[in-house]
Amino acid sequence: GAVVSQHPSRVICKSGTSVKIECRSLDFQATTMFWYRQFPKQSLMLMATSNEGSKATYEQGVEKDKFLINHASLTLSTLTVTSAHPEDSSFYICSARIRDRGYNEQFFGPGTRLTVL
Amino acid sequence: QKEVEQNSGPLSVPEGAIASLNCTYSDRGSQSFFWYRQYSGKSPELIMFIYSNGDKEDGRFTAQLNKASQYVSLLIRDSQPSDSATYLCAVFSGGYNKLIFGAGTRLAVHP
Repeated sequence: GAVVSQHPSRVICKSGTSVKIECRSLDFQATTMFWYRQFPKQSLMLMATSNEGSKATYEQGVEKDKFLINHASLTLSTLTVTSAHPEDSSFYICSARIRDRGYNEQFFGPGTRLTVL
Repeated sequence: QKEVEQNSGPLSVPEGAIASLNCTYSDRGSQSFFWYRQYSGKSPELIMFIYSNGDKEDGRFTAQLNKASQYVSLLIRDSQPSDSATYLCAVFSGGYNKLIFGAGTRLAVHP
């Protein structure tokens, strides 16, 4: 149980284009989903917290107009990187917290590697 | 924002030895504590969590929590080369309603 999927696993795009990444909890309902970014040899950086049916909460320094998050249902959250630039190239990982489970553990998706040319 | 601190390593241990990974946290109000393993180029994988003082064992892994000292550790018995990865300590911050991650400790198990 507690499987989180992400799609696509890898994307290469041209500078200026927008990229959408999907995060799905496959076998549970997620009250909250989280989006992280990780640059090579660096630690996870939380970008935003997403609750179903409400606006995402962004971490300080993360541009909400650039990284659009939609949490449409208890099993799906999307991250759209708008007008992507080479500096946005990174490993984007989502995680989900199981609904009604009190330990607050998060399960991570496999990640999406974004390369912007 | 409260901090979670780990030694970045690398921690090098021979195959079959016990690897001991340590983590300290600053928020006394933290309730639950997690250890994740992350292989290079992959996303983190939950190994185990602990929320009560003392030890919790799961196979070759033992998590230890000391809330008075604000310290949590992970012991890996009979270390294998396949255990070589970065281990992330995470603490749930009720005030921020999210996990706060340490920077991770890189473990290298050599044959």
